[in-house]
Amino acid sequence: DTAVSQTPKYLVTQMGNDKSIKCEQNLGHDTMYWYKQDSKKFLKIMFSYNNKELIINETVPNRFSPKSPDKAHLNLHINSLELGDSAVYFCASSQGPNYGYTFGSGTRLTVV
Amino acid sequence: GENVEQHPSTLSVQEGDSAVIKCTYSDSASNYFPWYKQELGKRPQLIIDIRSNVGEKKDQRIAVTLNKTAKHFSLHITETQPEDSAVYFCAASRTGANNLFFGTGTRLTVIP
Repeated sequence: DTAVSQTPKYLVTQMGNDKSIKCEQNLGHDTMYWYKQDSKKFLKIMFSYNNKELIINETVPNRFSPKSPDKAHLNLHINSLELGDSAVYFCASSQGPNYGYTFGSGTRLTVV
Repeated sequence: GENVEQHPSTLSVQEGDSAVIKCTYSDSASNYFPWYKQELGKRPQLIIDIRSNVGEKKDQRIAVTLNKTAKHFSLHITETQPEDSAVYFCAASRTGANNLFFGTGTRLTVIP
């Protein structure tokens, strides 16, 4: 029974397309996140969502939009995909920002 | 915001030797310091964490030390084994923060 599940695991798409990544957690956590991991393995925060409050990292292009229908789900929608969006995207959840994260298995996005 | 620096970026050790990875942080209010292990193609997984009210924590072959005055913390792995080979990330956070701030990662290779 996976604690944090992400779909799809792999996503290959053309430039200009719109795509979504889904994330669900069954841990009862109040806080969820999206991180981007680039080719150098650096983990960069994109969004955090804590008790219905969405915190947006201002360095993230507005082509990226998170949506949370309830506290167990935090999906990521990306418009007008660009080559530079190619990366692994990780969803995570925790009891709060000051607690350990449980990560999803990641979505490897390749834009061609 | 918090800035976490991690060294070295790569580390090779012989099986059975010890490995030490060091991190420094900038925000003196940070009080939570987790370490994550990411095996190739897998998700980051929490391996140990420490809060600022203690100076050291051990769990079998791994230990973390914290020096609040100097604002640095370290991961120590003793009797390394090939399965310890992975990328290790340190992170820091404080009460009231929106998310963890990750270091840039250390690729540890244990040579049999």
